Amino acid sequence: EAGVAQSPRYKIIEKRQSVAFWCNPISGHATLYWYQQILGQGPKLLIQFQNNGVVDDSQLPKDRFSAERLKGVDSTLKIQPAKLEDSAVYLCATHRGDRTDTQYFGPGTRLTVL
Amino acid sequence: QKEVEQDPGPLSVPEGAIVSLNCTYSNSAFQYFMWYRQYSRKGPELLMYTYSSGNKEDGRFTAQVDKSSKYISLFIRDSQPSDSATYLCAMTKTGNQFYFGTGTSLTVIP
Repeated sequence: EAGVAQSPRYKIIEKRQSVAFWCNPISGHATLYWYQQILGQGPKLLIQFQNNGVVDDSQLPKDRFSAERLKGVDSTLKIQPAKLEDSAVYLCATHRGDRTDTQYFGPGTRLTVL
Repeated sequence: QKEVEQDPGPLSVPEGAIVSLNCTYSNSAFQYFMWYRQYSRKGPELLMYTYSSGNKEDGRFTAQVDKSSKYISLFIRDSQPSDSATYLCAMTKTGNQFYFGTGTSLTVIP
């Protein structure tokens, strides 16, 4: 079974620029999460999708971050405009949706904002 | 108070030592407990997944859950340099929303 795919793996941008990350989940996984992980910290949930609907986006800074999951499969996370404090690893994770299973992570996208 | 507390370390042990990693939590509704291992510049990978109280063993790894004390542990026997990583605990009430610790950085010295 293929894992969660993310791209790009690394991105360096200047502050105030925009950036987009892409995630392709494990086939059949209905739930998709975007996390932000700052160095030395655990993952912080940004947004959770169930199929193509948003379940939880309470910690998403909506003035600059947006995410979508069209057709309930791939997802993109966008930051516009980026700030220095957005430098972090952005992790995508997916979950089959049944309580006997857990979530599986992609390799992450490391964003550096200069 | 954070939902999940985890000592960030860093923890440094000699090869072959037994390592104990721990997390405490505040919400008694958590039922599913996980340990993830995260190598530098990689995404977290699932190591252990347990339901409710008790022990679960997988090779050199043992996960323990004590729901009465709201305390979970991961033991690594005969630690190897390849075990050097950050270990994240995570838990969930419903199997749908996950709460993470901050991670413990472990270095196993050859």
